[in-house]
Amino acid sequence: AQSVAQPEDQVNVAEGNPLTVKCTYSVSGNPYLFWYVQYPNRGLQFLLKYITGDNLVKGSYGFEAEFNKSQTSFHLKKPSALVSDSALYFCAVRDTINYKLSFGAGTTVTVRA
Amino acid sequence: KAGVTQTPRYLIKTRGQQVTLSCSPISGHRSVSWYQQTPGQGLQFLFEYFSETQRNKGNFPGRFSGRQFSNSRSEMNVSTLELGDSALYLCASSLGTIRTDTQYFGPGTRLTVL
Repeated sequence: AQSVAQPEDQVNVAEGNPLTVKCTYSVSGNPYLFWYVQYPNRGLQFLLKYITGDNLVKGSYGFEAEFNKSQTSFHLKKPSALVSDSALYFCAVRDTINYKLSFGAGTTVTVRA
Repeated sequence: KAGVTQTPRYLIKTRGQQVTLSCSPISGHRSVSWYQQTPGQGLQFLFEYFSETQRNKGNFPGRFSGRQFSNSRSEMNVSTLELGDSALYLCASSLGTIRTDTQYFGPGTRLTVL
């Protein structure tokens, strides 16, 4: 079965500093990996995905993610965090047999001014 | 292009009642998936419909059911509500034809069971 893990419940950074949200995955076959962000009382917004090709994936709002096959990781990054980036971030993996997404537990990011 | 819409946004019900939630996908999307989000269990997959057929199902009791109409709109029904059914119910739409496509989420329906 496919799964993802987000080892940190919370990440706190100062505005202007780099932001990293960690995700590791377990999947048989090709991994299709996704990052979503959720603001309070809102649904999930798609940030980016890894399908194949370049290990560095660029997404919305200045976010990027680095795919590392040997470490089975897909960490989300932003070079310079904004207070408005404070939200709940989810990593997800697409099942290789059906179409469902399996989500990590989520990481709450707080960016302080 | 309009996004995924869900109605109603908020619902308050009492134990034992039933509830129906609605989801309208992005135009052209034929797949609708439903997820339950709770603080304790996180995001859990309920089921997915594609072209009016349930294609995948999660590990939820039979009280949770759904359907999809010919215009791809989907409804989810929960019968005999329990306190533990209080959650944010999210639907997501996608093309549904390849595993690399993206699921786009609606704003959710917040269900409170008293």
